Amino acid sequence: ELKVEQNPLFLSMQEGKNYTIYCNYSTTSDRLYWYRQDPGKSLESLFVLLSNGAVKQEGRLMASLDTKARLSTLHITAAVHDLSATYFCAVVLGTSGSRLTFGEGTQLTVNP
Amino acid sequence: DGGITQSPKYLFRKEGQNVTLSCEQNLNHDAMYWYRQDPGQGLRLIYYSQIVNDFQKGDIAEGYSVSREKKESFPLTVTSAQKNPTAFYLCASSIGKGPSTDTQYFGPGTRLTVL
Repeated sequence: ELKVEQNPLFLSMQEGKNYTIYCNYSTTSDRLYWYRQDPGKSLESLFVLLSNGAVKQEGRLMASLDTKARLSTLHITAAVHDLSATYFCAVVLGTSGSRLTFGEGTQLTVNP
Repeated sequence: DGGITQSPKYLFRKEGQNVTLSCEQNLNHDAMYWYRQDPGQGLRLIYYSQIVNDFQKGDIAEGYSVSREKKESFPLTVTSAQKNPTAFYLCASSIGKGPSTDTQYFGPGTRLTVL
């Protein structure tokens, strides 16, 4: 059974600060996704990471993947209030197929 | 505009009733999915379909049923056998076979409340 764990689950930070969200998963996978969800809304795709050492960046967010450690990180640089949301990582089971297993989500609050 | 639509946005159901949630996509995607989200939690897969006239159970299929008669549509029925159906239901679609990225794109969701 594939398990996906995120930490922290809750993160309160000040504007301008840096922080990292971690996503660990329990079995082999060749694809990892990061999504954003605003309160009461649907999920928005942020990144897809396909290979060991993959790094993707968009604005103040940077995601990386270490398949050997079964770990992905989402790094936030110089946070702004607009980044306040819940962030989910999701992992594909095995090395084929399309079933996603989601982490519990990290609720990020950026305070002025 | 291409995208995924879900209806209704809010749905109220009495105990013992079956209800059907609609999901339509015009992205020409082969694969479609239904997830359930409970407050403060991640998404759990209910059913998914990779091709018309075929679908598979996800992790929490009990009390739910689906059909996939058309590529564009993947309705979910929440039956009276589902003990605790109050939740936020999200439909997603992806290209399916072919590209290795196969990102799932989500609809706006339906919030179901059992009275």
